[in-house]
Formats: sequence, C-alpha cells, structure tokens
Amino acid sequence: GENVEQHPSTLSVQEGDSAVIKCTYSDSASNYFPWYKQELGKGPQLIIDIRSNVGEKKDQRIAVTLNKTAKHFSLHITETQPEDSAVYFCAALDTGTASKLTFGTGTRLQVTL
Amino acid sequence: DVKVTQSSRYLVKRTGEKVFLECVQDMDHENMFWYRQDPGLGLRLIYFSYDVKMKEKGDIPEGYSVSREKKERFSLILESASTNQTSMYLCASRNDRGRETQYFGPGTRLLVL
Repeated sequence: GENVEQHPSTLSVQEGDSAVIKCTYSDSASNYFPWYKQELGKGPQLIIDIRSNVGEKKDQRIAVTLNKTAKHFSLHITETQPEDSAVYFCAALDTGTASKLTFGTGTRLQVTL
Repeated sequence: DVKVTQSSRYLVKRTGEKVFLECVQDMDHENMFWYRQDPGLGLRLIYFSYDVKMKEKGDIPEGYSVSREKKERFSLILESASTNQTSMYLCASRNDRGRETQYFGPGTRLLVL
C-alpha cells in the first residue's frame, strides 16, 4: 500500500515569513494529493489539493507543488499570519485499494509575532 | 454548508466496556471513514464504508468493528475498550468519486481508564 512521509514535524516561523512542508509518497500510481489544516479542537479541513496532471497550484498565499518523478509534493505558505498556526497534514490517494487516502504524520506550524 | 457530526466531543470509559461512537453526515455521501489520531502517528484509517451495509478494513482494524445501516450514519464500536484505545477519533465522509474532498467531523476524544 501507499506510504506517506512528512517533514518537518514542527515548524516555527515569524509572522510574514514563508513556511514549507514537504511530503514524499511511495506509490507511483497515486494521482491525487490533498492538504488538510487542523485547528485546535476541530477536525481537519481541506485547504488545497493537486492532481497528478499538474505541477503546481496556487490559491492566494498557499501553493502546492508536485514532482511526480521524485514522488514528492510540498505545501508553501507565504506571508504567514498567526491564524496559519495549526497542524497540517498531507495525503495521497491510494488508487490500489479502493481510493482511500493515506495521511502523513502531520506538521505543527507555529507563527510567532 | 456541509456537515459531519459526531455524537460526543469527549468520552470517558472503563476498560472492558463496549463503546459506541456515532457519526452522521448530511451530504448524501456514499463513502464514510473512521480514523484515529495520535501524536506523531497522524491519521490512521480504522474502517471505511463505500455504501450502506458495506464495510472494509483499514490499516488498524483490530479491536474495532463498524456498522452502516443507513447511508447517513456510520458507527464505530469498541467491543471491549482497552487503555491503548485512548485516542482522538475522527469520522469523515466523501462522494463516491475518489478524488473528491473528504469532510471531517470535529472528533471524539476518548479516554479509557
């Protein structure tokens, strides 16, 4: 099955700086890569996703890049704000076993003033 | 607005008790999922269901069972709770098309004494 590794596990940045979270996956057949944000006391919420037919996708301050050859994808947050502080999860769709998502272990992002 | 609700936010049970965690979605989604979330381990899939009365084992099904008698409701059952099942439990639902947004509930934090 699919295996997703995520780094770093914690990340602290100053407000206004950029943050980058990286994930690698093992199954070359995976074709969908979402990113979820989990705020304190809430369930994860989708913030951006990318499909394997594109290399990059942007939504305001958030962007995701995908390198299919290297089997890794990254989340980029620019001009970070305190409300970006949360736990972020990457995931890959395991097409081999009836379309279930395999999640990374999460990154706790802390944006300091 | 899409909604996944879980019956309890916090639950305290004793070892050996039978525990029911309920999840309800109002989006007419075919697919529903149960995950547990533990620090450093991310989200791990326990069981999922593609349709009413259907269920599939996830990555860590031992000690759990599920029930899906109605499309909107997916129940997770701990037949005999153990202390190592103390965790955060997250329910999710999704349309039956694989590369679609998965919506999560707020989670149930279960403590087994």
